[in-house]
Amino acid sequence: EVVLTQSPATLSLSPGERATLSCRASQSISGSLVWYQQKPGQAPRLLIYNTSNRATGIPARFSGSGSGTDFTLTISSLEPEDFAVYYCQQRKNWPPGLTFGGGTKVEIK
Amino acid sequence: EVQLVESGGGLIQPGGSLRLSCVASGFIVSDNYMTWVRQAPGKGLECVSIIHSGGSTYYADSVKGRFSISRDYSKNTLYLQMNSLRAEDTAVYFCARENWFPTDYSGMDVWGQGTTVTVSS
Repeated sequence: EVVLTQSPATLSLSPGERATLSCRASQSISGSLVWYQQKPGQAPRLLIYNTSNRATGIPARFSGSGSGTDFTLTISSLEPEDFAVYYCQQRKNWPPGLTFGGGTKVEIK
Repeated sequence: EVQLVESGGGLIQPGGSLRLSCVASGFIVSDNYMTWVRQAPGKGLECVSIIHSGGSTYYADSVKGRFSISRDYSKNTLYLQMNSLRAEDTAVYFCARENWFPTDYSGMDVWGQGTTVTVSS
């Protein structure tokens, strides 16, 4: 099973600053790396799929990159609504498997 | 409108059973890969079960042999039958649709609001 490790656990930033979130896989994975945003009391929201593709309606300030075992989610300039928890996730079709990272909380400094 | 609505959660004693339901609108459950994802209080996300459009299923080791995923075409509904419940199954349970194009994975793009399961005596 692929283990995803996210860092840092918490990121304290101010609105307008750049956020860089890391997701490291225990083994090399294909492009099926996905990022979600979750706010308190809400379901996760799909942000990025296939490492770097923005989901429908996601602002351009969100971008994803990486390959192999190291992946990054970047928020170019934090808006007030971006303070939330972010999860990375990978999917294997066969044998089937779906794992999440432990999450990174982006909080207001 | 494409949406998922879960129900069936509640307070249940250890060893008991519950069946969660997830009603879909705007798309056909049986034509899609569907998942159940749970989130224990204050914790991260965990995939519990997946059902493929062809009917094959996957379970996390933590629930294998106790949980069963199924769907009803006529009701356009996804289910999660949970037996032999334990305190560690306490969580918010979300159903979600997986998006594939057609063999490239594109994440879970539609989520329900979640239903809370509390296992306690």
